[in-house]
Amino acid sequence: DVKVTQSSRYLVKRTGEKVFLECVQDMDHENMFWYRQDPGLGLRLIYFSYDVKMKEKGDIPEGYSVSREKKERFSLILESASTNQTSMYLCASSWGGRAEQYFGPGTRLTVT
Amino acid sequence: RKEVEQDPGPFNVPEGATVAFNCTYSNSASQSFFWYRQDCRKEPKLLMSVYSSGNEDGRFTAQLNRASQYISLLIRDSKLSDSATYLCVVNGNTDKLIFGTGTRLQVFP
Repeated sequence: DVKVTQSSRYLVKRTGEKVFLECVQDMDHENMFWYRQDPGLGLRLIYFSYDVKMKEKGDIPEGYSVSREKKERFSLILESASTNQTSMYLCASSWGGRAEQYFGPGTRLTVT
Repeated sequence: RKEVEQDPGPFNVPEGATVAFNCTYSNSASQSFFWYRQDCRKEPKLLMSVYSSGNEDGRFTAQLNRASQYISLLIRDSKLSDSATYLCVVNGNTDKLIFGTGTRLQVFP
């Protein structure tokens, strides 16, 4: 059974803080993804990675960065949190060459 | 035009009813198609892949019409536990997926 875990279910941060969201998968998946989900907008891809130390911008990368130092771990970094980054953040992973993705439980981030 | 379009619903149906959702996609080069289910405040979970020949999994049937670029999901004998949002998902470039905004289903007793 695929397992994707995220470091926090709920997080409250202040404007301007640096925020780290961690994601770990235990299926040796090559691909990892970070999305945010907002009402009425659906899931939007922030960044993704096909391999260790590799990263690609998604559709909305502004204000975010990522790090993938180990195959099983993909971190999302908000360099200076802003209120418009209040959202549900979802991490996903998949095997290389396979489209179906498996999601972690999500982190609901509130920036005040 | 959105890349993946779904009727947001909600579809309110009684237990035991049959309900169908459609979804249209804009990229004719898409090769992979899925339905995901998302419960309130939870993560999306893969419900089923959609194949050109259509596929069935218990009470759920998925169909793909490439010519018209739409995907459908049919749920027979609806259960209360089927209440959720159903996301239509299509692959974009390589391993990226494009998600619809979802169709909400509410099954009532």
